[in-house]
Amino acid sequence: DAGITQSPRYKITETGRQVTLMCHQTWSHSYMFWYRQDLGHGLRLIYYSAAADITDKGEVPDGYVVSRSKTENFPLTLESATRSQTSVYFCASRWGQGAVYEQYFGPGTRLTVT
Amino acid sequence: GQQVMQIPQYQHVQEGEDFTTYCNSSTTLSNIQWYKQRPGGHPVFLIQLVKSGEVKKQKRLTFQFGEAKKNSSLHITATQTTDVGTYFCAGIKDPNSGGSNYKLTFGKGTLLTVNP
Repeated sequence: DAGITQSPRYKITETGRQVTLMCHQTWSHSYMFWYRQDLGHGLRLIYYSAAADITDKGEVPDGYVVSRSKTENFPLTLESATRSQTSVYFCASRWGQGAVYEQYFGPGTRLTVT
Repeated sequence: GQQVMQIPQYQHVQEGEDFTTYCNSSTTLSNIQWYKQRPGGHPVFLIQLVKSGEVKKQKRLTFQFGEAKKNSSLHITATQTTDVGTYFCAGIKDPNSGGSNYKLTFGKGTLLTVNP
């Protein structure tokens, strides 16, 4: 029972390169989310998806692209990585109805942009 | 936009002492959730509070939701070293105030360290 998995767990890349972070969930939850966590900022929502082929921006979407062709996968792409995108990225999915739910987070991807 | 403020930012206690973290929202919340993140780990859902004035307990943890649904607290009685981590509150803005039920706004968290 893997739940939510993220890959890679650690990534070092150079400024200007494209990077894709993978997220996979085994529960078939409709809602999925991408957050970044930075010291002093807590968790900030980048993008979310209500279902396959339905995505929307969160609080800090600039520089990121998402897609969701299948319910179980929600990849996050940094089109041209910048140093300010060095962060820990968490994928999450949601279980529940309406406003009563639980959110489950993946183990995270620690990304360093040099 | 909606803001969720959490205090204190850090708290260091001796094992056995009590601990409380407070969460305040600039807008009325539909509900509030609490998460715990161990060092190097990921946030883990602890509980959700929905009703005004609601109080829930999980062993040594007591969670409260304010009457006005704008604030919440987490109290840990007799801390243990296993309680170490960052505790986050996360609020969902009341839909009657323009909120949506799929957006959690997280506080910045309270880092709890426990001296054995």
